[in-house]
Amino acid sequence: GENVEQHPSTLSVQEGDSAVIKCTYSDSASNYFPWYKQELGKGPQLIIDIRSNVGEKKDQRIAVTLNKTAKHFSLHITETQPEDSAVYFCAAPRGKGGGADGLTFGKGTHLIIQP
Amino acid sequence: DGGITQSPKYLFRKEGQNVTLSCEQNLNHDAMYWYRQDPGQGLRLIYYSQIVNDFQKGDIAEGYSVSREKKESFPLTVTSAQKNPTAFYLCASTFSVSGNTIYFGEGSWLTVV
Repeated sequence: GENVEQHPSTLSVQEGDSAVIKCTYSDSASNYFPWYKQELGKGPQLIIDIRSNVGEKKDQRIAVTLNKTAKHFSLHITETQPEDSAVYFCAAPRGKGGGADGLTFGKGTHLIIQP
Repeated sequence: DGGITQSPKYLFRKEGQNVTLSCEQNLNHDAMYWYRQDPGQGLRLIYYSQIVNDFQKGDIAEGYSVSREKKESFPLTVTSAQKNPTAFYLCASTFSVSGNTIYFGEGSWLTVV
């Protein structure tokens, strides 16, 4: 099955600076890579995703890049704000169904925005 | 109001007792999932169901059971056979087509004492 590694486990940045979180995956057939944000005591919320037919996707201050050859994808947050403080998870399809069999998650990155 | 509703939010049980967590969705999603989250850990898949009256084991199914009698409902029973049941449990759902967004409920905290 798919294996997803996520780094770093904790990331502290100054407000206004950029943050980058990286993930690697093991199954070269994986084709869908979502990122979730989880606030304390709540369920994860999708913030951005990318499919394997594109290399980059942006949504305002958030971007995701995908390198299929190296099997890694990254989340980029620019101009960080206090409300960006949360735990972020990357994920990849667990089986061949592109996510219908569920997702395999990284262990999460605790992002801390310092004022 | 559309979404995924999990109940109860907090649950305390004595060791050796079975407990059932409820998950209901009104998004007309075909597939539903149960994940377990431990402090500082990622989410691990317990069970999932892609259609009514059918479900499959995930990566950590031992000590858990599910049913899918209705499209909108996917209850999870944590049995006394589950050795470390204290955790945050998350229900999720999506349409059964590759690459569709998986949406999560707000979770249920189970503490076994």
